[in-house]
This record gives sequence, C-alpha cells and structure tokens, in this order.
Amino acid sequence: EPEVTQTPSHQVTQMGQEVILRCVPISNHLYFYWYRQILGQKVEFLVSFYNNEISEKSEIFDDQFSVERPDGSNFTLKIRSTKLEDSAMYFCASSEGAVQETQYFGPGTRLLVL
Amino acid sequence: QKEVEQDPGPLSVPEGAIVSLNCTYSNSAFQYFMWYRQYSRKGPELLMYTYSSGNKEDGRFTAQVDKSSKYISLFIRDSQPSDSATYLCAMSMFSGGYNKLIFGAGTRLAVHP
Repeated sequence: EPEVTQTPSHQVTQMGQEVILRCVPISNHLYFYWYRQILGQKVEFLVSFYNNEISEKSEIFDDQFSVERPDGSNFTLKIRSTKLEDSAMYFCASSEGAVQETQYFGPGTRLLVL
Repeated sequence: QKEVEQDPGPLSVPEGAIVSLNCTYSNSAFQYFMWYRQYSRKGPELLMYTYSSGNKEDGRFTAQVDKSSKYISLFIRDSQPSDSATYLCAMSMFSGGYNKLIFGAGTRLAVHP
C-alpha cells in the first residue's frame, strides 16, 4: 500500500541553525501539507501546497519557514533559523485532490532544538 | 471558545467494552469530519470520514455527526487492546478548494485485557 515517507525520523539541531525536513508524498497525489505537533498539544496546520505554490498558510508559518518541491517526488520544509519553540513533531501529508479527499500522513520527523 | 474541543482523557476500559469518543466544534462552516488514530510516536492514520449529519459504520467503528448540535462521536464496539491509542477528531471546510484540517486535542484510550 502506498504511503507517505519522511526523513529523518529524528533531528537534533542548535538554535539558529537551518534544518530541512523531507517528505515523499504518495506518487499520484497533487496536494501536500505540513502539520506540526508540539509535545502534549494538538496537531496544527502549517501550510498547504499545490501546483508548485503555497495555497494556504497558518500564522505559525512565518518568514522563517519555506516549502519546496525540488523534483517530482520530494516535498521539503525548511526552517531557516530554528528557535527553541520549533521543537515539535512535523508531519507531512498528501491527498489526491482537495475537497472530500483523504489526507494521508507520514510517520513524522521529531525535531529537537537545543 | 476553541474551534474544536475534545476531552483528552485518558479513558481506560476493559476489553470488549463499547467506547464513545466525542468532539464539539464552534464553526458551523465545517462540513467534513474525520477521526484519526495515532499510536505513540507515529503519524495520524485515518479511521473514518463523514460528510454532513448522520451515521457511518465501518466494522467495529461508527462515526456520528450532529451538525445542529455541532457534535461528533466515534463509537468502538468490542474494543480490543490493539485499539489503545490516541484518537483525534479533525474537521475541515471548503475554502477555495484547499482542505486544511483542524484537529481536536486527542483522547488517549487504553483498553486493558
């Protein structure tokens, strides 16, 4: 069964460093998402991406964040200068369409900023 | 008022019990309602997806939506230890074709043998 994959599974970084989280969505999907979950808190929407551009972003997704689809398979989330409060589990999701389409989630990347 | 409210539990039940999980919401624009299951340190896995009010059944799981009360439920019949997980309700609205999910806090369920 096709699945969303994410690398790395864990990332430890120093405050102020740049990190890139990688995702491979399901191959025929067209809509891509990033969510995050701070430990003990709810899953929060960060950004949606379609047709090589951001379609919607949350207040959390400020200028320190960017997304890219560098090739036909990968979807990345970059945090330019990490802060302590960026420590969280980051989930990538993809869906075949937008409305009424199931979003499939990857296993997540646990980011720890020291 | 939070957009989506969900009791975090934990909820502990014996094997074979019927489990009822619930969420309330405040935004009447929500049209699509989902239940995800999340095992520890894993990504959310879709269990049930419903649109509009009513019931939907899939095996031991029944999802119920009452839009007039802004209330959704997930029932698990004949609960098993393998059902032990955190259950997340999620909802979305049609907003220009894009479908961000708004999640509840999740209810942690433990089914003991």
